[in-house]
Amino acid sequence: EVYLAESGGGLVQPGGSLRLSCAASGLPFDRCHMNWVRQAPGKGPEWIANIGSGFNTDYADSVKGRFTISRDNGKNSLYLQMDRLRDEDTAVYYCVRDEAWAFQNWGQGTLVTVSA
Amino acid sequence: QSALTQPPSVSGSPGQSVYISCTGTSSDIGGSNRVSWYQQTPGSVPKLLIYEVSNRPSGVPDRFSGSKSVNTASLTISGLQAEDEAVYYCTSPRRGVTWVFGGGTKLTVL
Repeated sequence: EVYLAESGGGLVQPGGSLRLSCAASGLPFDRCHMNWVRQAPGKGPEWIANIGSGFNTDYADSVKGRFTISRDNGKNSLYLQMDRLRDEDTAVYYCVRDEAWAFQNWGQGTLVTVSA
Repeated sequence: QSALTQPPSVSGSPGQSVYISCTGTSSDIGGSNRVSWYQQTPGSVPKLLIYEVSNRPSGVPDRFSGSKSVNTASLTISGLQAEDEAVYYCTSPRRGVTWVFGGGTKLTVL
């Protein structure tokens, strides 16, 4: 069974940084296309970044230049380095595997709150 | 990136069918057969219902079906049940690189 577990969320001040982690199991992680998707309170999901098996990356305009997605296949782990955080980055952040052009497997999410 | 357009809400009685539309552009929905649909109940993680326009993952009832015409995708729920009450989201890759979601449609079972 696929299991994705996010960690690293918390309260951070505007302008601050946070690093999220996602531990994966039950899947061939090194061959998986992985994403971060966030969901602000009361809003719909928003895709923000992905990384392919070849370490190629893409970002949503809303986070480009501030967030960095990375992976460590030896540790079956996905990361999201978030810098220059803004109030509007407050959301639950999900680690998501996509396959067949769909978000097949989701973690339970980790809450990031940006507030002074 | 602007979201795909969904109606904010739909409703139906048990046993009826409801349709949820998702409108995009030639850069996303119209550019490929890669639309997917998700169901989210309060406090839960989104669950994949439909992928590649009309395919259902194992375990998803055949009451759920999807289709697409040009730049608009649709989710049909037949034989509506009380447990179908949820928010439904569509998504599509845009220009094959990024992803865009719909704003969500709240389904109320009367």
